[in-house]
Amino acid sequence: GAVVSQHPSWVICKSGTSVKIECRSLDFQATTMFWYRQFPKQSLMLMATSNEGSKATYEQGVEKDKFLINHASLTLSTLTVTSAHPEDSSFYICSARDPPAGDEQYFGPGTRLTVT
Amino acid sequence: GQSLEQPSEVTAVEGAIVQINCTYQTSGFYGLSWYQQHDGGAPTFLSYNALDGLEETGRFSSFLSRSDSYGYLLLQELQMKDSASYFCAVSPSGGYNKLIFGAGTRLAVHP
Repeated sequence: GAVVSQHPSWVICKSGTSVKIECRSLDFQATTMFWYRQFPKQSLMLMATSNEGSKATYEQGVEKDKFLINHASLTLSTLTVTSAHPEDSSFYICSARDPPAGDEQYFGPGTRLTVT
Repeated sequence: GQSLEQPSEVTAVEGAIVQINCTYQTSGFYGLSWYQQHDGGAPTFLSYNALDGLEETGRFSSFLSRSDSYGYLLLQELQMKDSASYFCAVSPSGGYNKLIFGAGTRLAVHP
């Protein structure tokens, strides 16, 4: 099946700094990728839809100026958490579809962000 | 908007059969998916129902009834490794195939 990678797998940063998380489709091209956030023992909350070559579409309640998304190529989307605060500490997961392979969404392994 | 409801926890023994129900409210959608997630891991795809009826994939089956806004995941011959969280998710129409997840059901399989 299709493979999606994320980097880094975990990161610790100080409050007020920015953190960039990369999401890559390794063996397929993804015109659309999705970013989710998951707090412990909770569900995956869709944050935004990342579209290659255009602006991301954010879900209601997600601050687009705080969570910057760039999808500059067909295999890479990045999420930058700007001016991070402890409440931004969470598990961030990206996903993508490989349409020829069917309806399945392939998820990256996730990035654990801890803001101190 | 969309909302999905599923039980928060289910407990079963090895070899048993478990059904996890999911009811949803959405103005329009393409289909209902099921994902498995082990603690600390990424969600993995289990099944997808676009049409009413039963889809079977090995020990796992999934069912959808659009008229009842209801679906379920059936796990047979439970194994210890099936202990995980199970999420139903809808693909809302017009949403670039994005997924909206339910709160998840934690399944604990005991010997």
